[in-house]
Amino acid sequence: QVTLKESGPALVRPTQTLTLTCTFSGFSLSTSGVRVNWIRQPPGKALEWLARIDWDGDKFYTTSLKTRLTISKDTSKNQVVLTMTNMDPVDTATYYCARTGITGTEFYSWGQGTLVTVSS
Amino acid sequence: DIQMTQSPSTLSASVGDRVTITCRASQSISSWLAWYQQRPGKAPKLLIYKASSLESGVPSRFSGSGSGTEFTLTIDSLQPDDFASYYCQQYNSYSYSFGQGTKLEIK
Repeated sequence: QVTLKESGPALVRPTQTLTLTCTFSGFSLSTSGVRVNWIRQPPGKALEWLARIDWDGDKFYTTSLKTRLTISKDTSKNQVVLTMTNMDPVDTATYYCARTGITGTEFYSWGQGTLVTVSS
Repeated sequence: DIQMTQSPSTLSASVGDRVTITCRASQSISSWLAWYQQRPGKAPKLLIYKASSLESGVPSRFSGSGSGTEFTLTIDSLQPDDFASYYCQQYNSYSYSFGQGTKLEIK
């Protein structure tokens, strides 16, 4: 059974760096074809894909936030970490991690999400 | 970046109705289109992938069609559990984007 769970601070001050951890089970990020993503959703708004890391270490980022994002993995701990620098109130959102499915193009298993509020 | 335009933004329907939600891509995405259902306070749930493939465990009243730039999600015989928000999502060249969502409300 595939499960993912996000963890991190609920409150971040403007200009600070956010660090989120996705801890998963039921699969290994060293297995060929496995990919884990971060996706966010501001309150009452649409979903936005942020980043992806693949089993072979390849990393991909959304164009608009590329300079602020870093995604990494710790295969031994079954974790994927996302850092986002220079946080702003507009970054207030629920942040999800999700695994892509068999085609690599859809998100078939999601964590429960973690709400991050950016406020002074 | 590819933009996804979803319509309508809100849809009012009754139990037993058949409804259709449309998603348009700003350029061709072949069949790399997925649909999700999201209930308030919950993570999205995958319904359809590769435009028309039904995810395991999803009821057969959900169906998807389309290719290129025009896609539809159809729900036959609406059930009370189906009143939720729905999102389309595309994949192209190592990037993903979502539509703005459709809220399906009880009439």
